[in-house]
Amino acid sequence: LAKTTQPISMDSYEGQEVNITCSHNNIATNDYITWYQQFPSQGPRFIIQGYKTKVTNEVASLFIPADRKSSTLSLPRVSLSDTAVYYCLVGDYAAGNKLTFGGGTRVLVKP
Amino acid sequence: NAGVTQTPKFQVLKTGQSMTLQCAQDMNHNSMYWYRQDPGMGLRLIYYSASEGTTDKGEVPNGYNVSRLNKREFSLRLESAAPSQTSVYFCASSPEGGASGANVLTFGAGSRLTVL
Repeated sequence: LAKTTQPISMDSYEGQEVNITCSHNNIATNDYITWYQQFPSQGPRFIIQGYKTKVTNEVASLFIPADRKSSTLSLPRVSLSDTAVYYCLVGDYAAGNKLTFGGGTRVLVKP
Repeated sequence: NAGVTQTPKFQVLKTGQSMTLQCAQDMNHNSMYWYRQDPGMGLRLIYYSASEGTTDKGEVPNGYNVSRLNKREFSLRLESAAPSQTSVYFCASSPEGGASGANVLTFGAGSRLTVL
């Protein structure tokens, strides 16, 4: 079962880049790494997914080293509206899609 | 498309009462999930259904039962509610099992349950 570990919280300022690292030492060969964002009183929503190297979309980048034992979500030039909890999720296909979340990282963006 | 729809949005129960949370998705997804989220905490998996006709226990299944009624619907039942089950419940679905994109979850808006 691929378990994830993230920092509990991070503070940043508007316009800065925020990098959140997730550790997943037991990741399996076929697992993908997916990141979600959750605002208060809402369900999490998908941000980005990757398997290896680097993936970029309109809101974030995901860096995955060759050993895939960690991944880093990068949010460029954050704004106040990026204040949220960010979760890293690693798919566990061996258990038939038993998708369990870690504790998440609470990001606070200050003016 | 509505995505994932949960009902009810809010519910107050007394200890010992029973109720069922309903979830439906219109994206033709194979897998469906129920999570609970206590205040200030992360998401914990209660039950999941990898495909129509199958259900499996998650991390915290005690006190709950589920039914995968058909491909669209996945309900969560509390037979005898306890104050410890006060939480926000999220239903989610994902496209398919065992392939790229399988763990891209789409979540509902949540059902806030209070047990007195």
